[in-house]
Amino acid sequence: AQSVTQLDSQVPVFEEAPVELRCNYSSSVSVYLFWYVQYPNQGLQLLLKYLSGSTLVESINGFEAEFNKSQTSFHLRKPSVHISDTAEYFCAVSEVIQGAQKLVFGQGTRLTINP
Amino acid sequence: EAGVAQSPRYKIIEKRQSVAFWCNPISGHATLYWYQQILGQGPKLLIQFQNNGVVDDSQLPKDRFSAERLKGVDSTLKIQPAKLEDSAVYLCASSLAPRSTNIYEQYFGPGTRLTVT
Repeated sequence: AQSVTQLDSQVPVFEEAPVELRCNYSSSVSVYLFWYVQYPNQGLQLLLKYLSGSTLVESINGFEAEFNKSQTSFHLRKPSVHISDTAEYFCAVSEVIQGAQKLVFGQGTRLTINP
Repeated sequence: EAGVAQSPRYKIIEKRQSVAFWCNPISGHATLYWYQQILGQGPKLLIQFQNNGVVDDSQLPKDRFSAERLKGVDSTLKIQPAKLEDSAVYLCASSLAPRSTNIYEQYFGPGTRLTVT
């Protein structure tokens, strides 16, 4: 079975500083990886995904994540954060078993931006 | 397009009472998921439907939880009787039907926050 570990439960950073949220997954034959973001009192929104091809994937709001097969990691990075990035971030891995797509989430990392 | 709708947004009940949550997925999405998100944890899949059939309910506590998706559109999740440890946010998500070579994004609703006292 797939599993995901997010190594930091909370990450406080100052505005305009860089940030990295770490994610490691259990290995499998086919790996599909996602980062979801949950703003306060809202549902989860897809931030970015890796399905195949280039190992570096980007979101429209400046986040990027790199799939590293040898280290079984999919860390999320942003070179300069804003107050509006305050949210909880979830890493997830997906697998398809007998026609069913199952998404397994990590425990989440709360990103707090200080002015 | 309209997103995934859930109601109610908040519910407070006493232990041993029953409660039901409703979900309306995005139009055309054959697959519907219910997740439980306990405070401080990531969402955990409870049950997955494809149209009106159950695909995966391996993590659903069937002694107290039940779910149905009549007509393959809306879905309800019920807890009877509720326990203190059922306090959580219940998230509904939907997606296109998965195929062996395609992974489709799951779209999440705002969730229902359940407090059991």
